[in-house]
Amino acid sequence: GAGVSQSPSNKVTEKGKDVELRCDPISGHTALYWYRQRLGQGLEFLIYFQGNSAPDKSGLPSDRFSAERTGESVSTLTIQRTQQEDSAVYLCASSPNAWTGELFFGEGSRLTVL
Amino acid sequence: TQLLEQSPQFLSIQEGENLTVYCNSSSVFSSLQWYRQEPGEGPVLLVTVVTGGEVKKLKRLTFQFGDARKDSSLHITAAQPGDTGLYLCAGAHSNYQLIWGAGTKLIIKP
Repeated sequence: GAGVSQSPSNKVTEKGKDVELRCDPISGHTALYWYRQRLGQGLEFLIYFQGNSAPDKSGLPSDRFSAERTGESVSTLTIQRTQQEDSAVYLCASSPNAWTGELFFGEGSRLTVL
Repeated sequence: TQLLEQSPQFLSIQEGENLTVYCNSSSVFSSLQWYRQEPGEGPVLLVTVVTGGEVKKLKRLTFQFGDARKDSSLHITAAQPGDTGLYLCAGAHSNYQLIWGAGTKLIIKP
């Protein structure tokens, strides 16, 4: 497709389970971001990938969160031992040039932890 | 800590009225973006402003970048129900780090 694709769009899980969220960026976009958005709030930076450079993981809230990206392709965000406070929409964005601040977002993955 | 303060946080007005949303910071940005997010969707880029004092128009939306490149405003003329959404501003510092405002939730009542 032409846009950023995220899956699943909705995920309901039980506390303590692991979840994996997937992001397929726009082809050719070297920069990829993950953000978290709690209900009615702004965007919380989680992690940034740029090509084959070391990612900026400074926004990951705990060691239960991890993310991977191989080259300029698909990225996965993994949350281990989910907690209720992890409930949020997880947004992925890609950009051809992160320096411009112009990001293209997917529709997000809504995570609900019961 | 760099902040981008966005105001108001919430605005509910009647169709046809005008409104202005503000983003203010003590930091100088190389560029500033405005995004609109509708329920269940990701944010969509509306505009990028780069030059101090720059004004850009997108139909009924007017975006202005402050002379010192520390603040920006979004003015909507004759608001319509289709303008309803969450408006987010983001400032860039010529690197990948973006500073995001908390958003303005706008509701336009028919």
